This record gives sequence, C-alpha cells and structure tokens, in this order.
Amino acid sequence: DGGITQSPKYLFRKEGQNVTLSCEQNLNHDAMYWYRQDPGQGLRLIYYSQIVNDFQKGDIAEGYSVSREKKESFPLTVTSAQKNPTAFYLCASSPIGGGIETQYFGPGTRLLVL
Amino acid sequence: GDSVTQMEGPVTLSEEAFLTINCTYTATGYPSLFWYVQYPGEGLQLLLKATKADDKGSNKGFEATYRKETTSFHLEKGSVQVSDSAVYFCALSAPSSASKIIFGSGTRLSIRP
Repeated sequence: DGGITQSPKYLFRKEGQNVTLSCEQNLNHDAMYWYRQDPGQGLRLIYYSQIVNDFQKGDIAEGYSVSREKKESFPLTVTSAQKNPTAFYLCASSPIGGGIETQYFGPGTRLLVL
Repeated sequence: GDSVTQMEGPVTLSEEAFLTINCTYTATGYPSLFWYVQYPGEGLQLLLKATKADDKGSNKGFEATYRKETTSFHLEKGSVQVSDSAVYFCALSAPSSASKIIFGSGTRLSIRP
C-alpha cells in the first residue's frame, strides 16, 4: 500500500542534542513538507521541498534543518538551537500540480525533551 | 496576512446531536477552503473542500459552504456519531501562496454515546 511512514512514533531528546525525524513516502510524490503541531495551535510549516536537492524555509524554520537527497525521503533534524522542540511533527507529501489539498499526511512523530 | 480562525474546543456532544464548528478566514483574493480531520494517533485527512464562493463541500455527512460575504466556512453535520470524535482543522490555500496551507488552531470534538 502507498503511504507515508514517519519514525519513530515517539522520540526523546536531551538538552543540547540534535535529533533526526524520518519521513519516507512511496507515493512517487514530488513535493514533501514538514509541519509542527502544538496544542491549541494550527499546523505551522517548517520546511518544504518541491524537488530533489531543493527545499525552502517555511514559517518557523529556525532551529531546524532538512535534506532532500532522494525523492522518497525528507528527514528533519531538530538542532540544539531549537529551544522549544516539544511538539508533534507531521510530514506530508503531494504531487506537483495536483493541488495543495492533495497533501497526504503521515501519522506523526511526537518529540519530547528530557 | 492570510489567517484562519476557528472556534475553540473542546466541543462535547451527545450522539445524534447537530454539530456546527465555526470557521472564518482572512485572505487576499479568492482562497480555496478546506476542512481536515485528525483521528487519535493519526495524521490529518482531507475531509472536504470548496474552491469558490457558494460552493458546498460535503463528505461522510459533513458539509461546509464557502460564504464570501461573511468570509466563513462553517462545518456542519446533522447527526454525529461516536466515531466522529476527532480534531477538526479549518484551512485555506491562498492564490498568493499556492504551495502553502494555512491551518486554524483545531477544534477537538468528543461525542458521548
């Protein structure tokens, strides 16, 4: 079955540590996205990528980094510069030209700070 | 800038009750409007959409009408079920930022048997 896989489901980070969240899709979608979800707030866009080896900052990119070396993979690194990383992180993908509403979301990773 | 405002939750209803979740938006031009649903432990799923004024989106018994005069896109369902318990997000995609979806803060809905 086609879909998006995010791992791990829960991730714990120590102070000053970088952690990487995995996102893999087998939908053959060109575009991929990372969102952050906080209680009582809507999803906020961190980074997005419309093609391999290219990505753009979203609204809250500070303290995060991404790479897009393969079409099916878009890992997100939460760096030590991100002072409030505790949140639920959602990855999404969509076909180029398919309309923004065709974004398909993964099940999410919950990041907690120890 | 573009934004979406939706009613704060949580909303708790009894099974078979009528549901309304209010959503209003601010955007330049003519945005597309969406409702997404997030069931416990899952990612978001598109529930319904409307792309122009007076359009009505509908799915799974839910409806929402694009009202440009009131800049609203309220979600309604005539008779809710326990399985409708989830978080609902109103969202828009504006012509000025076609690669972005702007989400509201979400409304948690709980249905009592």
